[in-house]
Amino acid sequence: DADVTQTPRNRITKTGKRIMLECSQTKGHDRMYWYRQDPGLGLRLIYYSFDVKDINKGEISDGYSVSRQAQAKFSLSLESAIPNQTALYFCATSDPSDRGEKLFFGSGTQLSVL
Amino acid sequence: GQQVMQIPQYQHVQEGEDFTRYCNSSTTLSNTQWYKQRPGGHPVFLIQLVKSGEVKKQKRLTFQFGEAKKNSSLHITATQTTDVGTYFCAEPPPRGGSARQLTFGSGTQLTVLP
Repeated sequence: DADVTQTPRNRITKTGKRIMLECSQTKGHDRMYWYRQDPGLGLRLIYYSFDVKDINKGEISDGYSVSRQAQAKFSLSLESAIPNQTALYFCATSDPSDRGEKLFFGSGTQLSVL
Repeated sequence: GQQVMQIPQYQHVQEGEDFTRYCNSSTTLSNTQWYKQRPGGHPVFLIQLVKSGEVKKQKRLTFQFGEAKKNSSLHITATQTTDVGTYFCAEPPPRGGSARQLTFGSGTQLTVLP
């Protein structure tokens, strides 16, 4: 969905490096999320934010941090990357006024930690 | 915690055959959502089910919510190569619980053989 943009699309880094994945959206949604996808494990929630002043840990937040710089921007950081953080990362947004509050996903960032 | 079981994880079908996948929850749900992720793509919302026993159709796709609202199913009639992808169900947090976001199942990866 072009309304949710993730950068970079691919990234290769080395163990111990600091990495930031960025997400921006033009949908005007208050709620933003970071998910991680691994084969056979589906989508697992890392962090989520319901507005600029609200940050919450998800299922697998260890080793990650986030920053909600503005309503439209939500970045994910790996302070010291490790190989088992190699995965496909998705940013998503939702609108709480939307009945059912479906998620809109970005195109993903494939991260490889060597 | 909330668990979403998806059966099966991988499935190969011959083009033209039907395909069914199930999603079972450990809790009674207020609603359930389904998403599709094409190979190399990102999850895209398909549908939401809210009412007990609800059946919704999208062309060759039929979605059903269980009578007890603890399971749902996706049935594809006469599969086509365009149906290839991973299908996820997603459930909202249980009422009264501490979670505030969707929980995704592990997904079923459908391969359609020509």
